[in-house]
Amino acid sequence: QVQLVESGGGVVQPGRSLRLSCAASGFTFSNYGMHWVRQAPGKGLEWVAVISYDGTNKYYADSVKGRFTISRDNSKNTLYLQMNSLRAEDTAVFYCAKDLMTPVAEYYFDYWGQGALVTVSS
Amino acid sequence: YELAQPPSVSVSPGQTASLTCSGDKLGEKYVCWYQQKPGQSPVLVIYQDTKRPSGIPERFSGSNSGNTATLTISVTQPMDEADYYCQAWDISTVVFGGGTKLTVL
Repeated sequence: QVQLVESGGGVVQPGRSLRLSCAASGFTFSNYGMHWVRQAPGKGLEWVAVISYDGTNKYYADSVKGRFTISRDNSKNTLYLQMNSLRAEDTAVFYCAKDLMTPVAEYYFDYWGQGALVTVSS
Repeated sequence: YELAQPPSVSVSPGQTASLTCSGDKLGEKYVCWYQQKPGQSPVLVIYQDTKRPSGIPERFSGSNSGNTATLTISVTQPMDEADYYCQAWDISTVVFGGGTKLTVL
């Protein structure tokens, strides 16, 4: 069965960096686009970034552009999110999510990880 | 681009719940819907406006026209109580609505 397992969350000071990982299994990882979505405590969902199945196309929300970098290693079935210059408002649960469809790029997320909590605080 | 959802909707068990999502010319985009229960990850319940993923009950249906998309839950059950988010996309971005808390009482 499909599994997405995030890791790397924790408490970090403002201005510092953190890298999240998402280990995928149960499907052909290299065939699907992947996303990061976050949810601040008690708030709604906010899309963060997408990477195409082969890593050639990447897009970001304006709120993280220039600070966050999405990447993937298809040989390791792993998705990453490098987060730099973190701010208090980045505090959230970060989910990795899989595109429902391939190869067409239509963004519906049929599987989500359990989430990794990132807390930005001094 | 922004999607607007009412913060809360209440429905009695066995009745029909209609949850709306509004955006400029939303009918020209594809919309999907997620259900999220407390402490859990979201679950896709409708995609491409009207399609149900495997395992989603037939009582969940969707429509999208003009400026409004609607998620309809017929014969609403207590287990349907959750937050529901609409979502639209284009090639370079994804937008979520603010979410609607559905209360079944």
